[in-house]
Amino acid sequence: GESVGLHLPTLSVQEGDNSIINCAYSNSASDYFIWYKQESGKGPQFIIDIRSNMDKRQGQRVTVLLNKTVKHLSLQIAATQPGDSAVYFCAERGSRGNQFYFGTGTSLTVIP
Amino acid sequence: NAGVTQTPKFQVLKTGQSMTLQCAQDMNHNSMYWYRQDPGMGLRLIYYSASEGTTDKGEVPNGYNVSRLNKREFSLRLESAAPSQTSVYFCASMDTGGYNEQFFGPGTRLTVL
Repeated sequence: GESVGLHLPTLSVQEGDNSIINCAYSNSASDYFIWYKQESGKGPQFIIDIRSNMDKRQGQRVTVLLNKTVKHLSLQIAATQPGDSAVYFCAERGSRGNQFYFGTGTSLTVIP
Repeated sequence: NAGVTQTPKFQVLKTGQSMTLQCAQDMNHNSMYWYRQDPGMGLRLIYYSASEGTTDKGEVPNGYNVSRLNKREFSLRLESAAPSQTSVYFCASMDTGGYNEQFFGPGTRLTVL
């Protein structure tokens, strides 16, 4: 089956710095990927997505990069703020098209 | 729109007790999902329902049953709770067709003693 993994379980950054969170996926046939943010005590919230026919997608202060050659995703957060402190998950859409597989998450702590 | 709602928010059970977790969505989504989240682990799919009237097993279905009551509601039942089912349970819904995200509820924190 598919599996999604994250390289770093925790990440601490200074407020104002840029953050990069990485994710590896195993199924080269996956066609859609999502990054979610989960704050303490809440459900995951959508941040940004990318389709497999794209290499890069930008949102407000966030950018997702997709490298299909090495099956790697990254989430870049510009000018990280204390409100960005959360656990970030990548999710990979399975071959059936109606299931997602989630990584274990990276906990981001922003130091004021 | 309330999005995805879940009840209860917290529950403590004794081993062997049964309970049903409720989930409802008001976004007219076809697909609904139940996940569990354990410390240090990602979300694992228990069951899902691609459309009203259908349900399918996910990665970790043992010990659970589900009912897709109608398009809005998808319940998860623990018939005989075990300590290994102590977890946070999330319900999600998703529109089908194309590229769509899953919307998550706030979760139910379940402890089985």
